[in-house]
Amino acid sequence: QKEVEQNSGPLSVPEGAIASLNCTYSDRGSQSFFWYRQYSGKSPELIMSIYSNGDKEDGRFTAQLNKASQYVSLLIRDSQPSDSATYLCAVNTGFQKLVFGTGTRLLVSP
Amino acid sequence: SQTIHQWPATLVQPVGSPLSLECTVEGTSNPNLYWYRQAAGRGLQLLFYSVGIGQISSEVPQNLSASRPQDRQFILSSKKLLLSDSGFYLCAWITWAGGIYGYTFGSGTRLTVV
Repeated sequence: QKEVEQNSGPLSVPEGAIASLNCTYSDRGSQSFFWYRQYSGKSPELIMSIYSNGDKEDGRFTAQLNKASQYVSLLIRDSQPSDSATYLCAVNTGFQKLVFGTGTRLLVSP
Repeated sequence: SQTIHQWPATLVQPVGSPLSLECTVEGTSNPNLYWYRQAAGRGLQLLFYSVGIGQISSEVPQNLSASRPQDRQFILSSKKLLLSDSGFYLCAWITWAGGIYGYTFGSGTRLTVV
């Protein structure tokens, strides 16, 4: 079983819609969770981190964490074509080492 | 300000040739440093991490090695490259802001072994 799993996509949404990206993880002891955005050919960029169960909002982004279900998600409201990228979920497995999922490709059409 | 530098941006090397990729950070001391590789169509794989000068932990057995000769310098090396070493190599460090930490990545080196 992979440690961090994501649907590879692509997830296609129209401009202005809500994009919902999901991630599950296997290590029940994981304490911190991150979402990165990676444009084609570029390095990943940290957009959200979450440590506690519930929702965390930052602008158009909302991260949701459910430790009991070992599930973390990212919602992007009012999606823009510039949001088209691959979104990587990452989980801290201890000693500040992050394990990454393979990413979900998001396509936002004008 | 805290910055991370990585070079070169792209590299094409023949099979069997040596490799040296360098990563340096500025604006902090004694950072944790990491080397990741992203192969085509695959996720980020942690290769090495270092918590201090001369301290290297290897995550997966492979044709690569790492060294940390100075506090803010992290080097990835190979004596003889294989085709399977092709990929996007990323250096990362932990940055803290407002009580929140996360990895910050360098701009990466795209290595093609031919």
